[in-house]
Amino acid sequence: AQSVTQPDIHITVSEGASLELRCNYSYGATPYLFWYVQSPGQGLQLLLKYFSGDTLVQGIKGFEAEFKRSQSSFNLRKPSVHWSDAAEYFCAVGATLTGGGNKLTFGTGTQLKVEL
Amino acid sequence: NAGVTQTPKFRVLKTGQSMTLLCAQDMNHEYMYWYRQDPGMGLRLIHYSVGEGTTAKGEVPDGYNVSRLKKQNFLLGLESAAPSQTSVYFCASSYPDYGYTFGSGTRLTVV
Repeated sequence: AQSVTQPDIHITVSEGASLELRCNYSYGATPYLFWYVQSPGQGLQLLLKYFSGDTLVQGIKGFEAEFKRSQSSFNLRKPSVHWSDAAEYFCAVGATLTGGGNKLTFGTGTQLKVEL
Repeated sequence: NAGVTQTPKFRVLKTGQSMTLLCAQDMNHEYMYWYRQDPGMGLRLIHYSVGEGTTAKGEVPDGYNVSRLKKQNFLLGLESAAPSQTSVYFCASSYPDYGYTFGSGTRLTVV
């Protein structure tokens, strides 16, 4: 069964500093990988996804992530964090369900705080 | 605005009461899902549907039932609520390409 580990529960960065959120996955086949962001009281918004091809994926809001098969990682990065980036971030791995449908298995999330 | 709408947004139930959460999407998505979100546990799949009239169990289905009588609607029912079902419930829908669209959630408290 697939699983996702986000080792950092909380991260605090200063506005303008760079950011890296870690994600490690476990999946037997080629993974479909995702990063979502959740603002307080809101649903999840897709930041970016990796299916195949270029291992460096660009997303919305200036985020990018790099797939490293050898390390089973899909870390999220941003070169300069803005105060509005404060939110909870979830990494997820996708798998096809028996009989159809796609299941996302989520990590436990990383809460990002941005200091002004 | 196109998207996924969940009702209600908040609800407090007494143990043993029943309720239905409604999810409606207007994007003509085939797949619909119900997840629950609990602190420190991420989101876990309760039930899902790959089309009108079909439903299937996810990883935490006990205590819940679902129905998808119309393509645009996916209902989640709690027949006899328990405190362990206190959670935030998210509905999502997608085409078969993993492009999930999430609703804004229903915060349920069972006392």
